[in-house]
Amino acid sequence: DAGITQSPRHKVTETGTPVTLRCHQTENHRYMYWYRQDPGHGLRLIHYSYGVKDTDKGEVSDGYSVSRSKTEDFLLTLESATSSQTSVYFCAISEDWDGYGYTFGSGTRLTVV
Amino acid sequence: AQSVTQLDSQVPVFEEAPVELRCNYSSSVSVYLFWYVQYPNQGLQLLLKYLSGSTLVKGINGFEAEFNKSQTSFHLRKPSVHISDTAEYFCAVSETGKLIFGQGTELSVKP
Repeated sequence: DAGITQSPRHKVTETGTPVTLRCHQTENHRYMYWYRQDPGHGLRLIHYSYGVKDTDKGEVSDGYSVSRSKTEDFLLTLESATSSQTSVYFCAISEDWDGYGYTFGSGTRLTVV
Repeated sequence: AQSVTQLDSQVPVFEEAPVELRCNYSSSVSVYLFWYVQYPNQGLQLLLKYLSGSTLVKGINGFEAEFNKSQTSFHLRKPSVHISDTAEYFCAVSETGKLIFGQGTELSVKP
């Protein structure tokens, strides 16, 4: 969707290195989310943000941290990448807290070797 | 906590046949329910959502879903599928502002 972009689209990294994925929105939406998608698991929530500097953990937050210093940017950091973090990562934004649904980015395919 | 179960991981169907993708959720309290579609190598797009009111919800691309509170189900249907409907479909429930997704159903439409 034009209002949300993720970078990079693809990345290969080595075990033990830190990695940062970026989500950028132009919609001025308050709520932002990071999910990971794995076969057989659907999408699982990693972290989310309900405003600048306001973040919280999701279902699978271990090994990940986030930051949101501006409304438009939500960064996901893998502090020390492991092979189990090989996945497709999706960012999503939402205008409202509940019932509105999300707009998703195109995803980042991360491979940890 | 809410959970969502999509009862079929893969659904093969011939073109122009009807299809139903099944979804059950765990809670009987008021919920918001969604269906998303993911085409290959793309993000997820919203197909339809149920917030309140009529239990039959119509979405894009000819899809519809029926909310059944007593059976805690939200099954997705299309009366006649096209090759272009081949994709993965995700059911989701909203819980305190966060979407909880099912495992996904791969719909494969064959000519």
